[in-house]
Amino acid sequence: GAGVSQTPSNKVTEKGKYVELRCDPISGHTALYWYRQSLGQGPEFLIYFQGTGAADDSGLPNDRFFAVRPEGSVSTLKIQRTERGDSAVYLCASSPAGLAGANEQFFGPGTRLTVL
Amino acid sequence: AQKVTQAQTEISVVEKEDVTLDCVYETRDTTYYLFWYKQPPSGELVFLIRRNSFDEQNEISGRYSWNFQKSTSSFNFTITASQVVDSAVYFCALSEEAAGNKLTFGGGTRVLVKP
Repeated sequence: GAGVSQTPSNKVTEKGKYVELRCDPISGHTALYWYRQSLGQGPEFLIYFQGTGAADDSGLPNDRFFAVRPEGSVSTLKIQRTERGDSAVYLCASSPAGLAGANEQFFGPGTRLTVL
Repeated sequence: AQKVTQAQTEISVVEKEDVTLDCVYETRDTTYYLFWYKQPPSGELVFLIRRNSFDEQNEISGRYSWNFQKSTSSFNFTITASQVVDSAVYFCALSEEAAGNKLTFGGGTRVLVKP
């Protein structure tokens, strides 16, 4: 079956602009996660959705970052007034419902964001 | 707070050598889960294994094996008879039941297998 997909694969923008990154999880997966991976580092957690609601947004770095999942499937990560430090690969993952923490997370290919 | 440390940033081996990747974790939770992921040059994270804190049995899957030791808070990963296709960055990760499903990743170990 289809895996997690993310669009666009690459996004180049100018400092101060607004960007939206999209994630399509695996069909039927109720949990969806966003991570950010800077060059040479491990992914860092941003936000986690269970269904339509954000169950944990403790990883969002500041109020320029926001994410939604209005119908419990596709999610959009929104970044306002982008800064050069936002440049990274943004990863999305999904997992089926079940025991908290126990489920394997399936990752998408990521969106590489470059802020000039 | 949860933390994962992968002290080795890069390991270079010649094909057919064994390679062991170290992972040390910190957690205050009694119920937690440990993972290894592989990130090949293509960039997509590939799940390798999951262990829960109550199961210290070592596991072998083909050329891969894992050693989980709660006494030393370690979850090490060994690739036996390495192959060029094993070249990738490997990440160890932890999730705590009390903290929900979020994964905390280590910094990764880059493995380079030379022919």
